Amino acid sequence: DAGVTQSPTHLIKTRGQQVTLRCSPKSGHDTVSWYQQALGQGPQFIFQYYEEEERQRGNFPDRFSGHQFPNYSSELNVNALLLGDSALYLCASSLGQRNQPQHFGDGTRLSIL
Amino acid sequence: AQSVTQPDIHITVSEGASLELRCNYSYGATPYLFWYVQSPGQGLQLLLKYFSGDTLVQGIKGFEAEFKRSQSSFNLRKPSVHWSDAAEYFCAVAVYNNNDMRFGAGTRLTVKP
Repeated sequence: DAGVTQSPTHLIKTRGQQVTLRCSPKSGHDTVSWYQQALGQGPQFIFQYYEEEERQRGNFPDRFSGHQFPNYSSELNVNALLLGDSALYLCASSLGQRNQPQHFGDGTRLSIL
Repeated sequence: AQSVTQPDIHITVSEGASLELRCNYSYGATPYLFWYVQSPGQGLQLLLKYFSGDTLVQGIKGFEAEFKRSQSSFNLRKPSVHWSDAAEYFCAVAVYNNNDMRFGAGTRLTVKP
């Protein structure tokens, strides 16, 4: 039973570029959440996708956008990258009902030069 | 808005000793409480959760946590720590019907031989 998988594992970009991160949820899960974890901090909620719609959003600018596909996989897009966007980006999946325990992937480490 | 405080940034215990990691929260409605563990370079693994009912909850790997509403706390405990427990531990809180799960800044656990 595959857990949550994320790709790529590491990525290096320069300021102003755009990046796309990918996530496949755990088998049987239909909800995907994205988190940003800066070094030495806890994860911060970016947004959650359910039924291919953004169901809820945290306090992140519009440069952060996402998408969920019919197979429940998801993408996180970040435009106009800033140095402060350097972080570990975590994807978590869960079942449709709210507040269900989330299963996390190992993350994508994004470095901005 | 809900928030989480983990007062201890770093804790060191000897192998075989007991462990208690502190977590305090603030919330505006019924809290859903979680403890996650993160090993270096990996995502978060759910240790246990509290939604309602018995205030003492058992989790995986021999961990337990107690919800104390009067103290707004949800401390994590383990009677005998193993070297493999060395990791970063995060407490998280969610409000009913709200997917914006808030994490504490984490407590790093070091286990001495």
